[in-house]
Amino acid sequence: NAGVTQTPKFQVLKTGQSMTLQCAQDMNHEYMSWYRQDPGMGLRLIHYSVGAGITDQGEVPNGYNVSRSTTEDFPLRLLSAAPSQTSVYFCASSYSGGSSEAFFGQGTRLTVV
Amino acid sequence: GDSVTQMEGPVTLSEEAFLTINCTYTATGYPSLFWYVQYPGEGLQLLLKATKADDKGSNKGFEATYRKETTSFHLEKGSVQVSDSAVYFCALSSKRGSTLGRLYFGRGTQLTVWP
Repeated sequence: NAGVTQTPKFQVLKTGQSMTLQCAQDMNHEYMSWYRQDPGMGLRLIHYSVGAGITDQGEVPNGYNVSRSTTEDFPLRLLSAAPSQTSVYFCASSYSGGSSEAFFGQGTRLTVV
Repeated sequence: GDSVTQMEGPVTLSEEAFLTINCTYTATGYPSLFWYVQYPGEGLQLLLKATKADDKGSNKGFEATYRKETTSFHLEKGSVQVSDSAVYFCALSSKRGSTLGRLYFGRGTQLTVWP
């Protein structure tokens, strides 16, 4: 059982480049989300989805796009990378309902130069 | 809105010392409460949870009790080990309709245990 799989693990981008961070889960979870982790800031929610075809913004959505065409996949797109997007990104999934444990991927460490 | 405030570190302890990491929350209604742990270079993993008032979550010697009257969920362990060195996050999961299932995290507490 793979759980939540994120790719790539590391990435270096130049300012202005675009890229997609991939996230896939094999647990049939309805709820998926993307967080960024910065020193001293904890985890901040970027975007989330409560099911295929449904997405919504979190705390820090600017500069990022998401889509959810299948239950399994929830890619995060950086439209035009900026140094302020240097961070560690985590994808998570869970059953909906508010009481369920979230399962996290291993993270993507992104550096924008 | 919903939020979590946890004790900021770093916390440094000797092996076998007692650990407390404080966590308080603000929420409408009765959220579920969690402690997640992050080991170096890894993602977060669930340590323990409690879904209603007075529930006690426990795992690997760690405990936390959901206290509605003080809106707290403090993490404790009686005797820490070097292998407990990690970052600990307190979190709540909203049960409100508009934000159902959304997780709110504290800023994390770095724990280092010396032999």
